[in-house]
Amino acid sequence: SSELTQDPAVSVALGQTVRITCQGDSLKKYSASWYQQKPGQAPVLLTYGRNNRPSGIPDRFSGSASGDTASVTITGAQAEDEADYYCLSRDSSGNRFSVFGTGTRVTVL
Amino acid sequence: EGQLLESGGGLVQPGGSLRLSCIASGFTSNNFGMSWVRQAPGKGLEWVSGISGTGIMTYYADSVRGRFSISRDSSDNIIYLQVSSLTVEDTAVYYCAKGLWEIDYWGQGTLVTVSS
Repeated sequence: SSELTQDPAVSVALGQTVRITCQGDSLKKYSASWYQQKPGQAPVLLTYGRNNRPSGIPDRFSGSASGDTASVTITGAQAEDEADYYCLSRDSSGNRFSVFGTGTRVTVL
Repeated sequence: EGQLLESGGGLVQPGGSLRLSCIASGFTSNNFGMSWVRQAPGKGLEWVSGISGTGIMTYYADSVRGRFSISRDSSDNIIYLQVSSLTVEDTAVYYCAKGLWEIDYWGQGTLVTVSS
């Protein structure tokens, strides 16, 4: 089955830019959606498709993709962006419909 | 705006069963694929099961296939997850979610604890 791999943790200085990546074979064929999860809360959709954002999501969050890697970039990180981030995409192996990435903990310094 | 409300979680012994329910409001759930996603304590998100808008197609992660069963009652806008043959590894918060791979609404989750 296909897996999606993310860096376990990244840090970013307040106001700076950070890119969170997600790598997997299924991303060559399918786009990824990105989710932010804060402690004790349900995940929130950040981006989907070709860099689409739901209403209410700040434009400092942007999605992109190239080859087998999808990314979400936070431009001008804020303290409230400290959270866990997950990618989600189709499972190209067909064993299940979707698969989450392993997750990235973002710390804002 | 859509909302999802899960129920049915609780403490169950290994080998036991539960039926989780998810009531959708603010949208007609049978127009959309729906998923169940779980998160074990201190762990990441795991996509567990999904059902198509028509209810004809169902999908499962390998870790639960044969033990879990997803279904929907379109007339009442309810999605179910029957969880059986539970092990301690199934202990998690179970989220109901709108969508199969682009999830725009999430419930707040229901906790399933498997312990003797």
